[in-house]
Amino acid sequence: NAGVTQTPKFRILKIGQSMTLQCTQDMNHNYMYWYRQDPGMGLKLIYYSVGAGITDKGEVPNGYNVSRSTTEDFPLRLELAAPSQTSVYFCASSSIQGGNQPQHFGDGTRLSIL
Amino acid sequence: RKEVEQDPGPFNVPEGATVAFNCTYSNSASQSFFWYRQDCRKEPKLLMSVYSSGNEDGRFTAQLNRASQYISLLIRDSKLSDSATYLCVVNSFGNQFYFGTGTSLTVIP
Repeated sequence: NAGVTQTPKFRILKIGQSMTLQCTQDMNHNYMYWYRQDPGMGLKLIYYSVGAGITDKGEVPNGYNVSRSTTEDFPLRLELAAPSQTSVYFCASSSIQGGNQPQHFGDGTRLSIL
Repeated sequence: RKEVEQDPGPFNVPEGATVAFNCTYSNSASQSFFWYRQDCRKEPKLLMSVYSSGNEDGRFTAQLNRASQYISLLIRDSKLSDSATYLCVVNSFGNQFYFGTGTSLTVIP
């Protein structure tokens, strides 16, 4: 009963380094999302995908890239890490089937950039 | 105007109290509505969906008022374990979810 799985759970990067945050879901959901949440703040949408091969920018896409080659996986790439990208990153997915389908969240990646 | 607005609180209530949160949304075409709970530094977790006729899950009651574009969450007989941030979420056009910034609740012994 995995749901949405994110790796790693914690990471410390140096300024200018790059990394990929992994997200995979086993619920066959079409929609997947990446959010960031800064301390004491709400969720901000970075990118989302409505299916394999399709991605769209959210509210705060600068400094990030995504890909969606399979239904299950939606990795988030940071190319040149900056201190402003220190945050908690959540991946979520939802189903296209029917109405009133909520989002399911992974347990987050806590990223610090020093 | 923000898509979803919530009173950030904080709400500090004694155990056993009844507390209510409201949330307003701007898009009259919004289709689905949810309340999520988020504990400190954890992921948001679905508390309940909100249906047009209103719905109840134990001590929790959710209401939707489409005419006035707001949803509400009522918590009865508050427990210490109810302390969390409650997020109002509105879904428009199928794939877009809009989150409120959350309402902080602390239940005091």
